[in-house]
Amino acid sequence: DQQVKQNSPSLSVQEGRISILNCDYTNSMFDYFLWYKKYPAEGPTFLISISSIKDKNEDGRFTVFLNKSAKHLSLHIVPSQPGDSAVYFCAASANSNYQLIWGAGTKLIIKP
Amino acid sequence: DTEVTQTPKHLVMGMTNKKSLKCEQHMGHRAMYWYKQKAKKPPELMFVYSYEKLSINESVPSRFSPECPNSSLLNLHLHALQPEDSALYLCASSQASSDYGYTFGSGTRLTVV
Repeated sequence: DQQVKQNSPSLSVQEGRISILNCDYTNSMFDYFLWYKKYPAEGPTFLISISSIKDKNEDGRFTVFLNKSAKHLSLHIVPSQPGDSAVYFCAASANSNYQLIWGAGTKLIIKP
Repeated sequence: DTEVTQTPKHLVMGMTNKKSLKCEQHMGHRAMYWYKQKAKKPPELMFVYSYEKLSINESVPSRFSPECPNSSLLNLHLHALQPEDSALYLCASSQASSDYGYTFGSGTRLTVV
């Protein structure tokens, strides 16, 4: 049972445009959500997070939106840059549990 | 120093070998983690150490044995592994186990032959 789903295995976006990565979850107990970015042969890098008490969190070019009623979150990257090409993982946790539940990842390709 | 350093970067071992993976951080983080990642899959949690004590073992087979000698070091001892254990092994750390802004190492690419 996949509690965190990233339904798009890959996404291709023109440089300078907006990249939107989506994530859906099924567990209503999740109260904290994170996005990680991973380059090949490297460990995931923490990007941005959001608590369930908020619906938006912004950090530079990265904004995460949370829609609790739809159990959906999205990561917006504006403007997209070539260095943003990577795999992006959505992760969630419930009640300060240690374990993050991870999505399968979306490979983002930024085209020049 | 804002890094988690893992050694070796690559390791090939036979099924009868004993080897160890090492992880080091000097950020004063008190929680450290081992993850296993297979190709095109998200990382899977293996172990959590909080203040140098093992707090979570996610039903990992005993052929994987973690060790936390001090607050900066985390080892993963490997013995009698199987080919299906071949994966990228990631170490991570955070300020505390309740803090999710992990810093991950680059990982050790393990191949069991």
